[in-house]
Amino acid sequence: KQEVTQIPAALSVPEGENLVLNCSFTDSAIYNLQWFRQDPGKGLTSLLLIQSSQREQTSGRLNASLDKSSGRSTLYIAASQPGDSATYLCAVNGNFNKFYFGSGTKLNVKP
Amino acid sequence: DGGITQSPKYLFRKEGQNVTLSCEQNLNHDAMYWYRQDPGQGLRLIYYSQIVNDFQKGDIAEGYSVSREKKESFPLTVTSAQKNPTAFYLCASTGPSYEQYFGPGTRLTVT
Repeated sequence: KQEVTQIPAALSVPEGENLVLNCSFTDSAIYNLQWFRQDPGKGLTSLLLIQSSQREQTSGRLNASLDKSSGRSTLYIAASQPGDSATYLCAVNGNFNKFYFGSGTKLNVKP
Repeated sequence: DGGITQSPKYLFRKEGQNVTLSCEQNLNHDAMYWYRQDPGQGLRLIYYSQIVNDFQKGDIAEGYSVSREKKESFPLTVTSAQKNPTAFYLCASTGPSYEQYFGPGTRLTVT
């Protein structure tokens, strides 16, 4: 069974800092990987989707990379802002369109 | 606007009662999902449906039931057999690119 791990579980940084969130998965046979943002008490908002044939995707200050062979993905956030404070989750799409989620990284960006 | 709606936002029930959570989407997506989220944890798959009139158990299906009579709707019933039903429930759907979209969630409290 696919296992997805996110490190660190929590992160606190000063505003303006560049940061990297990590996601690792045990089975490299994935269809795609998706990064989400979740605000307290809310649903998940999709940030970036990387297909298995791609190495990275970018959206504004966000850049996500994928290394299938090593079972790793990173989400890079440039010039962090207090509004970036949220929990970030990654999910891998395995066989039969089933998704496996990490437990998330809770980010706090201090003004 | 296209999207996924879940109702109600908050739900309170007495132990021993069945309760049904609503999920509706107007994205014309074939696949729909139900997840459960507990504090500090990732999402766990309850049930998913790839097409109308068909659904499969996820990792934690015991004590839950679903139906998929229409493409737009995928209601979840939490039965009295579910031993610890208090949680945050999230509905999602995927389209042709296998990107997941989420509803706003329903917080269920059983006392």
